[in-house]
Order: sequence, then C-alpha cells, then structure tokens
Amino acid sequence: EPEVTQTPSHQVTQMGQEVILRCVPISNHLYFYWYRQILGQKVEFLVSFYNNEISEKSEIFDDQFSVERPDGSNFTLKIRSTKLEDSAMYFCASSPDVNTEAFFGQGTRLTVV
Amino acid sequence: TQLLEQSPQFLSIQEGENLTVYCNSSSVFSSLQWYRQEPGEGPVLLVTVVTGGEVKKLKRLTFQFGDARKDSSLHITAAQPGDTGLYLCAGASQGTYKYIFGTGTRLKVLA
Repeated sequence: EPEVTQTPSHQVTQMGQEVILRCVPISNHLYFYWYRQILGQKVEFLVSFYNNEISEKSEIFDDQFSVERPDGSNFTLKIRSTKLEDSAMYFCASSPDVNTEAFFGQGTRLTVV
Repeated sequence: TQLLEQSPQFLSIQEGENLTVYCNSSSVFSSLQWYRQEPGEGPVLLVTVVTGGEVKKLKRLTFQFGDARKDSSLHITAAQPGDTGLYLCAGASQGTYKYIFGTGTRLKVLA
C-alpha cells in the first residue's frame, strides 16, 4: 500500500542551525502539506503546496520556513536558524486532490537544544 | 478562525462498552476526516465523509457527518483494548488548502 515516507525519524540540532526535513509523498498525489505537533498539543497546519507553489500557509510559517519540491519525488521543509520552540513532531501529508483524504507520514521528531 | 472542538477530551472505559466521540464546529466543511494517532507516530486515516448526513461504517466504528456539515461523530461498539489511542477529526473547507484538526479525544479501553 502506498505511503508517505519521512526522513529522518529523529533530528537533534543546535539552536541557530538550519535543518531540512524530507518527505516522499504518495506518487500520484498532487497536494502536499506540512504540519507540526508540539508535545501534548494539537496538530497544527504549516503550509500546503501544489503545482510547485505554496497554496496556503499559516501564521506559524514565517520567513524562517521554506518548502521545496526539488525533484519529482521529494518534498522538503527547511527551517533556518532553529529556535528552542521549533522542537516538535513534523508531519508531511499528501492528497490526490484538494481537500480530499490526506495521508500522513510517520513524522520527524525535531529536538532543538 | 475555524475551530474543531472534540468531546470528551479523555475517555476511559471497560472492554465491551460502547462509546461516542463528538467533533463540533461553527464552520461548514466540504469534507471531514477521522484519524487515529498512536504516541510518536503520524495520524492514520480511518474515514472521510463529504455529504451531509452521511454514515460510514468501518467494522465496529460508525462515523456520521452532520446534516449541516458542521459536526461529526464516531461511535465505537463493543470497544476493545486495541481501540486505545488518540482520535482526531480534521475538516477541510471550500476555498482553502488545509485541514484543520480537532483537539482530540484520548481513549483508553481497559481489559
């Protein structure tokens, strides 16, 4: 069964460093998403991406964040100059069409120290 | 701001009991999904509902979308310890490109 895969599963980084989280969405899906979940809190929307453009972004997704689809299979989230409060689980998701069922990856646990 | 409130927040029941979890909003959604999440893992899609009044069944789980597409419920019959987990609803609205997640219901089924 097709699935969304994310790497790495865990990432520890020093405050101020840049990190890149990687995702391989389901191959025939057209819409891609990043979400985050701070420990014990709800799943929060960061950004959606379609046709090599950002479709929508939340207030959380400021200039510190960027997304890219560098090739036909990968979808990345870059966090520049990480802060302690960026520590969270980051989930990638994909869907075949807008606002249809979305499938989530297993997540990357980011710890900023 | 769109909000999805889930109730109850926590639920602890004995194996074999029935339960219902609610997901409510003041906003209309074009589709609503239910997920189950285990600790340290990503949300796993259970079902998507799109039509007001729609009822879908997945073994012992019954999902209903409200007539006005503002609310949904998940009913579990004869709960089992394997049903333990965090249940999340997530709604998508026309003209947006995101899913808004609910606050979650943490279910524990005791053997």
